[in-house]
Amino acid sequence: DGGITQSPKYLFRKEGQNVTLSCEQNLNHDAMYWYRQDPGQGLRLIYYSQIVNDFQKGDIAEGYSVSREKKESFPLTVTSAQKNPTAFYLCASSIGQNNQPQHFGDGTRLSIL
Amino acid sequence: GQQLNQSPQSMFIQEGEDVSMNCTSSSIFNTWLWYKQDPGEGPVLLIALYKAGELTSNGRLTAQFGITRKDSFLNISASIPSDVGIYFCAGGIYGQNFVFGPGTRLSVLP
Repeated sequence: DGGITQSPKYLFRKEGQNVTLSCEQNLNHDAMYWYRQDPGQGLRLIYYSQIVNDFQKGDIAEGYSVSREKKESFPLTVTSAQKNPTAFYLCASSIGQNNQPQHFGDGTRLSIL
Repeated sequence: GQQLNQSPQSMFIQEGEDVSMNCTSSSIFNTWLWYKQDPGEGPVLLIALYKAGELTSNGRLTAQFGITRKDSFLNISASIPSDVGIYFCAGGIYGQNFVFGPGTRLSVLP
């Protein structure tokens, strides 16, 4: 079945540590996105990519980094510079960027040890 | 930046009742999306709307694209326990990323 796979489901980070969240899609979508979800809030955009080897900062990019070396993959690194990383992270993809519905993975919950 | 408001924030209903919720903005959008999120999972797309005044159904769900382009509505008829979850709206306009609302949390009492 086509879809978006995020791993791991749960992740724990120690102080000062970088961690990487995986996102893979087999939908042949060009655009991919990373969102952060905090309790009671809407989704906030961290980074997005419209095409391989290109990505743009979203509204809350500080303390995060991404790469887009392959069409299917869009990993997110939460760096030690992100002082409040505890959240639910969602990856999404769409056929293109302009008004195309986004389809989401099942998320990764990141917690601090 | 653009913001969406969803009303109500949360609601408790009896099984079998109909549900209405809405999403409003001070900005105009070309596209409205409605998603449902179950606990610990990602949002699932329910309905996409692309034209002002458009009314679209998906089973017991019906959504409308407001005439002003600044709002959208979602109705659920004859609610069942599996309707429990958080319902998000998202507004889109050409050349910009979607903006998501804070969600309406629905609880269904047996």
